[in-house]
Amino acid sequence: GENVEQHPSTLSVQEGDSAVIKCTYSDSASNYFPWYKQELGKGPQLIIDIRSNVGEKKDQRIAVTLNKTAKHFSLHITETQPEDSAVYFCAARGAAGNKLTFGGGTRVLVKP
Amino acid sequence: DGGITQSPKYLFRKEGQNVTLSCEQNLNHDAMYWYRQDPGQGLRLIYYSQIVNDFQKGDIAEGYSVSREKKESFPLTVTSAQKNPTAFYLCASTPTGRVDTEAFFGQGTRLTVV
Repeated sequence: GENVEQHPSTLSVQEGDSAVIKCTYSDSASNYFPWYKQELGKGPQLIIDIRSNVGEKKDQRIAVTLNKTAKHFSLHITETQPEDSAVYFCAARGAAGNKLTFGGGTRVLVKP
Repeated sequence: DGGITQSPKYLFRKEGQNVTLSCEQNLNHDAMYWYRQDPGQGLRLIYYSQIVNDFQKGDIAEGYSVSREKKESFPLTVTSAQKNPTAFYLCASTPTGRVDTEAFFGQGTRLTVV
């Protein structure tokens, strides 16, 4: 089955700096890669996603890049703000089914 | 407002007891999922259902059971056979037939064995 690795597990940045989280996946047939943000005690919420026919996608301060050849994708947050502090999860979904496989999560702390 | 509702938010269970976690959605989604989240870890799939009256085991199904009698409901029972049930449980849903769609999550149920 699909295996998704996520790094780093924790990330501390100064407000205004950029944060980058990287994920690798094992199933070359995977074609959908969402990123979720989870605040304390709540369920994850989608912040951005990318499909396999696209190499990069941006939404204001958030961007995701996908390298299908290397089977890795990354989340970039620019001009970080304290409200960006949360746990971020990457995920991958294969073409064979409707299951999402999640990475282990990255705890991001933005220091004012 | 459309969404997924999980109840209760907190649940305490004595060892040896079965407990059932509720998940209801009014998004008209065909597929529903249960994930388990342990502290500092990612989400692991317990069970999922792509259509009423049908469900499949995920990666960690042992000690759990589900039913899908109605489209909008997907309850999870944590049985006494689950050796380490203390965790945060998340329910999610997606429309079936499209793999590139957002999964919507509930707010979770925190289960503690006392």
